[in-house]
Amino acid sequence: AQSVSQHNHHVILSEAASLELGCNYSYGGTVNLFWYVQYPGQHLQLLLKYFSGDPLVKGIKGFEAEFIKSKFSFNLRKPSVQWSDTAEYFCAVISANDYKLSFGAGTTVTVRA
Amino acid sequence: EAGVVQSPRYKIIEKKQPVAFWCNPISGHNTLYWYLQNLGQGPELLIRYENEEAVDDSQLPKDRFSAERLKGVDSTLKIQPAELGDSAVYLCASSLTSVNEQFFGPGTRLTVL
Repeated sequence: AQSVSQHNHHVILSEAASLELGCNYSYGGTVNLFWYVQYPGQHLQLLLKYFSGDPLVKGIKGFEAEFIKSKFSFNLRKPSVQWSDTAEYFCAVISANDYKLSFGAGTTVTVRA
Repeated sequence: EAGVVQSPRYKIIEKKQPVAFWCNPISGHNTLYWYLQNLGQGPELLIRYENEEAVDDSQLPKDRFSAERLKGVDSTLKIQPAELGDSAVYLCASSLTSVNEQFFGPGTRLTVL
């Protein structure tokens, strides 16, 4: 079974700092990649996705992610975070083999004003 | 566009009691999913429907869990009898197809006493 690993469990940073969250997956075939975000008290929502094409994808709220196939990675970045970016972030992968969306354990990001 | 609707939002029951959760997906979405999310973890798939057919129920504990999606629209997930370890958030999601992004509902937080 494929697995998704998120490197950080909890990240704390100050406003205007840069953010990078790591994500690695185990499946070697064709995959679709996602980052979801869950703000406090809200439901999971899509931040960005990669299906094919340019490996650098841009999402909502200034987030971007880079797919590096050779490293099985899909890291999320934001150059300058805001207090409102405080949330839990989940990396997720669908393999073309079984169409099952597998989630990482999530990274809690706390942005201090 | 209305999102995925779930009810109830919260449920508290005693162990050995039955419980049911309801989900109405986004209109036109053929694929419906039920996930279980424990605290500090990512969602884990319980069952996936393509229209009214359960195409992946390998992770559904069939001795106590059951699900149905009559007419390929709304879906119900049932637990009978509930156990203490079933306390979690139960999420419903839908997508156009199995490889598209999934849209999540707010979830039902179940507490089994």
